[in-house]
Amino acid sequence: GENVEQHPSTLSVQEGDSAVIKCTYSDSASNYFPWYKQELGKGPQLIIDIRSNVGEKKDQRIAVTLNKTAKHFSLHITETQPEDSAVYFCAASTTGTGANNLFFGTGTRLTVIP
Amino acid sequence: DAGITQSPRHKVTETGTPVTLRCHQTENHRYMYWYRQDPGHGLRLIHYSYGVKDTDKGEVSDGYSVSRSKTEDFLLTLESATSSQTSVYFCAIRQGQNTEAFFGQGTRLTVV
Repeated sequence: GENVEQHPSTLSVQEGDSAVIKCTYSDSASNYFPWYKQELGKGPQLIIDIRSNVGEKKDQRIAVTLNKTAKHFSLHITETQPEDSAVYFCAASTTGTGANNLFFGTGTRLTVIP
Repeated sequence: DAGITQSPRHKVTETGTPVTLRCHQTENHRYMYWYRQDPGHGLRLIHYSYGVKDTDKGEVSDGYSVSRSKTEDFLLTLESATSSQTSVYFCAIRQGQNTEAFFGQGTRLTVV
């Protein structure tokens, strides 16, 4: 099955600085890569996703890049704010038969220091 | 917010007892999933369903069973709870392949 690795496990940045979280995946057939944000006591929520036919996607202060050859993708948050503090998860999945399962990384705890 | 409800939200149970967690959705989504979340492990898939009465095992299915008799309900059962099953359990739903997954609020289960 798919194996998703995520780094770093913790990240602290000053407010206004940028944050980058990186993930690698093992299954070359994976073609959908979402990022989830989880706040304390809540379930994860999608913040951005990218499909394998696209190299980069941006939504305001958040961007995701995908390198299919190297099998890695990254989340970039610019101009960080205290409300960006949360745990972030990357994931990967493949279309095809079955339930199109999402495989998650182990998470990155981001702390934005005011 | 997506219409997905987990119950109970918190439960403490004794080792060896059966436990059932419920996930209820009002979105009529085809796919439903049960994950467990543990420190250092992220979210790991326990079981999933791709339709009524269509279920299959995920990566950490030992000690768990599921049932889906209606589109809206997906039940997770721990046949005989063990301390290693102390965790936070999340249900998720998806409309189709490679679409957004919506998560419930989670159930914190403690097995003593």
